[in-house]
Amino acid sequence: DQQVKQNSPSLSVQEGRISILNCDYTNSMFDYFLWYKKYPAEGPTFLISISSIKDKNEDGRFTVFLNKSAKHLSLHIVPSQPGDSAVYFCAASTWVRMIKAAVNKLTFGGGTRVLVKP
Amino acid sequence: GAGVSQSPRYKVAKRGQDVALRCDPISGHVSLFWYQQALGQGPEFLTYFQNEAQLDKSGLPSDRFFAERPEGSVSTLKIQRTQQEDSAVYLCASSLARGIDRQPQHFGDGTRLSIL
Repeated sequence: DQQVKQNSPSLSVQEGRISILNCDYTNSMFDYFLWYKKYPAEGPTFLISISSIKDKNEDGRFTVFLNKSAKHLSLHIVPSQPGDSAVYFCAASTWVRMIKAAVNKLTFGGGTRVLVKP
Repeated sequence: GAGVSQSPRYKVAKRGQDVALRCDPISGHVSLFWYQQALGQGPEFLTYFQNEAQLDKSGLPSDRFFAERPEGSVSTLKIQRTQQEDSAVYLCASSLARGIDRQPQHFGDGTRLSIL
């Protein structure tokens, strides 16, 4: 049962154009969403996050949009640069309240490989 | 360094051997997570520590997997009697988050484990 899905395994875009990455989730309890970027042989690097109380968050070239009713989020990269070529993961979390403290574990999608062509 | 440090970067072991993977989180980070990433998939949660307390180990695939963080800083993930299906990249992440505070997790570069 995959709670977070990235249905596009790959995306190719021309340098300077917009990259749009999509992510769908099924668990309505998710309330915090993140995008990570991963280069080969490196760990995921945090890019941008959004809380469920917002529908948009922007940081430089990166904007994340959240549509709670559709259980869908997207990452826009404008303009795309060759250095953006990587695998992008969306992740979601909810507070799982344990006895002593709340746990903020992440559930990841399968990733989308982005290739930005010069 | 300033980031999460994991060692070794690569580990090859024969089936049946025990392995130990180390994680040194960002200084001051209260929360520490272990994830397992199979080839071509996203990371999957294994276990969570808040300081030295292991508060969630629901993702550990079997009782051959054991994690500890005795002094609330460095953590070790141990796999006993390794099997071929244990081959994966093991990622460690740390976060400032405590309580209901929402903070991103920062990942190390992982340990790539290959079981022959």
